[in-house]
Amino acid sequence: QVQLVESGGRVVQPGTSLRLSCTASGFTFALSPMHWVRQAPGKGLQWVAFISYDEKKNSCADSVRGRFTISRDNSKNTLYLQMSSLSVEDTAVYYCARDRAGGSFENWGQGTLVTFSS
Amino acid sequence: SYVLVQPPSVSVAPGKTASITCGTTDFGGESVHWYQQRPGQAPVQVIFDTSDRPSGVPERFSGSKSGNTATLTISRVEAGDEADYYCQVWDGVIDHWFFGGGTKLTVL
Repeated sequence: QVQLVESGGRVVQPGTSLRLSCTASGFTFALSPMHWVRQAPGKGLQWVAFISYDEKKNSCADSVRGRFTISRDNSKNTLYLQMSSLSVEDTAVYYCARDRAGGSFENWGQGTLVTFSS
Repeated sequence: SYVLVQPPSVSVAPGKTASITCGTTDFGGESVHWYQQRPGQAPVQVIFDTSDRPSGVPERFSGSKSGNTATLTISRVEAGDEADYYCQVWDGVIDHWFFGGGTKLTVL
């Protein structure tokens, strides 16, 4: 069955960087476009970034453009989200999601939490 | 770009039918997709392409769209359907994906 397992979330300081990972199994990762979606505590879902199966195409939300970079390593079945200049507004559970043709999210991981120290 | 408006909450008695709406100024022919998120869990897709159900989703879940409003309908509601529900649209012109604010479904 499809499995998406995120990792890398932790407590961070404002202004620092962090890389999230998502390891995929149960489907042909190398042929699947992928996304990152986040959810701030008690809030709704927000799409963050998209990457095509071959990395030739990517896009990201206006709120993270220039700070977040999505990438993938098809040889490792792994999706990444490199986050820099982090701010408290980036506090959220970050989910990786497999794209379904037609513009939706077919499968989701369980998420990894990024939070800030007070 | 899309702004998707959902009612914050909907309440329904067990066995009855729940309707959750998702409105915008113009869907522009785009499909609408729906997700269920139970407390403490990741979202799960329940409807894609406006009215199709992923395998494993009960037939009690259905989707439709009319004009500028899409609707998720849950028939014969059960206690286990209590969750947050989100609609979503893809803007293929700018390759951005948009979610509604979510609707909390309460089973009375």
